[in-house]
Amino acid sequence: AQTVTQSQPEMSVQEAETVTLSCTYDTSESDYYLFWYKQPPSRQMILVIRQEAYKQQNATENRFSVNFQKAAKSFSLKISDSQLGDAAMYFCAYRSVYNQGGKLIFGQGTELSVKP
Amino acid sequence: GAGVSQSPSNKVTEKGKDVELRCDPISGHTALYWYRQSLGQGLEFLIYFQGNSAPDKSGLPSDRFSAERTGGSVSTLTIQRTQQEDSAVYLCASSVDLALRRELFFGEGSRLTVL
Repeated sequence: AQTVTQSQPEMSVQEAETVTLSCTYDTSESDYYLFWYKQPPSRQMILVIRQEAYKQQNATENRFSVNFQKAAKSFSLKISDSQLGDAAMYFCAYRSVYNQGGKLIFGQGTELSVKP
Repeated sequence: GAGVSQSPSNKVTEKGKDVELRCDPISGHTALYWYRQSLGQGLEFLIYFQGNSAPDKSGLPSDRFSAERTGGSVSTLTIQRTQQEDSAVYLCASSVDLALRRELFFGEGSRLTVL
């Protein structure tokens, strides 16, 4: 079974600075999808960025980018020019292409605080 | 509606009582998922529905948990004889279909507290 691990329960960043959130996963599959979701206090999960494992190029979405290291099974999220609105829980998630109905397997989350 | 709607937003119940949690997905979305988020934990998959196919119930933690989806739209998650360990936020998500790159759209969840 696949697992996702986020080793940083909490992170803090100064406004306008850059922060990197770590995520590692364990799988024997060669093709899959990886996601980062943001959960603000409203509890509604919001997709931040996604990466397809067969693509070598790292995904980027405005101030958000990932460092996808397939061999190392690592998928970190970099937030540049951090803003107060970035404060939230961030979840890394894995999605198999082979089975399991496409459900997402989530890590434990990293709570990001942004200091003004 | 514009987004995934869940009700109630908060529910407090006594141990042993049954509860029903409702999810109204985005119109036209055929895939619907239920997840459970316990305090300080990640999201735990419970069940998903896709169109008229049999649901994947592999994540339901016990036979006290059940879910149905009527008319391919609204879904109800039922917890019978609630226990204190059932206290959590129950999140519903929907997706256009099961295509794997599809984004899941989540509701704001139902926070269940079992006293």
